[in-house]
Amino acid sequence: GESVGLHLPTLSVQEGDNSIINCAYSNSASDYFIWYKQESGKGPQFIIDIRSNMDKRQGQRVTVLLNKTVKHLSLQIAATQPGDSAVYFCAEIPWAGNMLTFGGGTRLMVKP
Amino acid sequence: SQTIHQWPATLVQPVGSPLSLECTVEGTSNPNLYWYRQAAGRGLQLLFYSVGIGQISSEVPQNLSASRPQDRQFILSSKKLLLSDSGFYLCAWRGSSYGYTFGSGTRLTVV
Repeated sequence: GESVGLHLPTLSVQEGDNSIINCAYSNSASDYFIWYKQESGKGPQFIIDIRSNMDKRQGQRVTVLLNKTVKHLSLQIAATQPGDSAVYFCAEIPWAGNMLTFGGGTRLMVKP
Repeated sequence: SQTIHQWPATLVQPVGSPLSLECTVEGTSNPNLYWYRQAAGRGLQLLFYSVGIGQISSEVPQNLSASRPQDRQFILSSKKLLLSDSGFYLCAWRGSSYGYTFGSGTRLTVV
């Protein structure tokens, strides 16, 4: 997609604060959403997922919120730590689909 | 458990030289396999995907090709590298669940 060639937006937060990373999607048929974390020089790693029949799901220190009305997905990280510094990608897949579509990504920088 | 192996981790190749990156998956059968490229500070660009042996779909026309000679092996190749082929190459697989599992990536620098 077009976002592939763009520089990643950056979110800078203070250690201990909560972080909110946002993602907009366009396909109303998307049924499943995933957040990935990519540390420098490594492959993306699964963080948390959510199905379209849910609007909130919580993990350890992370919460994903889904607003289907405005096609918006967010990842909340509580008490952000230096180890949370990474690029975060959202991804979506339609019901019975085969391909994940990735968002452009957001770089999270945690200041000590 | 399922694992994905990708090698080499880093590679420096001269312009015009060939390329072969290999990705193998263990602990699963008939996975969907994917090759992505990521330029520095950018997003993920899907290059190729495969739903089975010998079945390759190309998402972006370019200097690269892919092959799947075995069920759990996916190879990314080029006959003559260009400077613009530099990037971080990621292999991923998808089994019965929706999510992708990524390999550790290959950093390719074409000089």
